[in-house]
Amino acid sequence: DTGVSQDPRHKITKRGQNVTFRCDPISEHNRLYWYRQTLGQGPEFLTYFQNEAQLEKSRLLSDRFSAERPKGSFSTLEIQRTEQGDSAMYLCASSPRWGATNEKLFFGSGTQLSVL
Amino acid sequence: GQQLNQSPQSMFIQEGEDVSMNCTSSSIFNTWLWYKQDPGEGPVLLIALYKAGELTSNGRLTAQFGITRKDSFLNISASIPSDVGIYFCAGRAGSGTYKYIFGTGTRLKVLA
Repeated sequence: DTGVSQDPRHKITKRGQNVTFRCDPISEHNRLYWYRQTLGQGPEFLTYFQNEAQLEKSRLLSDRFSAERPKGSFSTLEIQRTEQGDSAMYLCASSPRWGATNEKLFFGSGTQLSVL
Repeated sequence: GQQLNQSPQSMFIQEGEDVSMNCTSSSIFNTWLWYKQDPGEGPVLLIALYKAGELTSNGRLTAQFGITRKDSFLNISASIPSDVGIYFCAGRAGSGTYKYIFGTGTRLKVLA
């Protein structure tokens, strides 16, 4: 069990550039989540997938944000035309197949984005 | 975005003391998760709770699912310096969604 893997760990970009982050969930976990966390706050929900289907999306996820999980395994989160307000830690989590006592979110180490 | 209320916001305690913190919601939740987060890292799962009144331990940590289903509690006994960090609760509201809402966090500082 290798854990949730996120790449890159850190990303510095200039305002207006596009960035893409990758998340590899724990093997055989069918749900994958994206959260955003700013300094001093708890993680804020962005979206989640069950297999390849994106089932729920937060209003925080503006038109500039898009997430995909094309084959139900790894996922990417893209931010277009980045703004300084996008600076945050982007966290990915995965959860095993649904079961009454099986719901547990396991997080990766996150991608820290800084927009200059 | 929506966040759960956690109390206290921060606390300083002496090594060896017991710690209590709680998390409250205006909605009924079906699942509560408790996490610890160190700076620059992702949250690490401590305890998961699945039914009202449930009491679950993990070493020196004990968490309870409130009977109203609108709150949860985490206790740490005999704190040690490595307990320093931010503790978050997370809850899932129920049928039709697997979205988890996180709390505002309790920052714990332990004085040796």
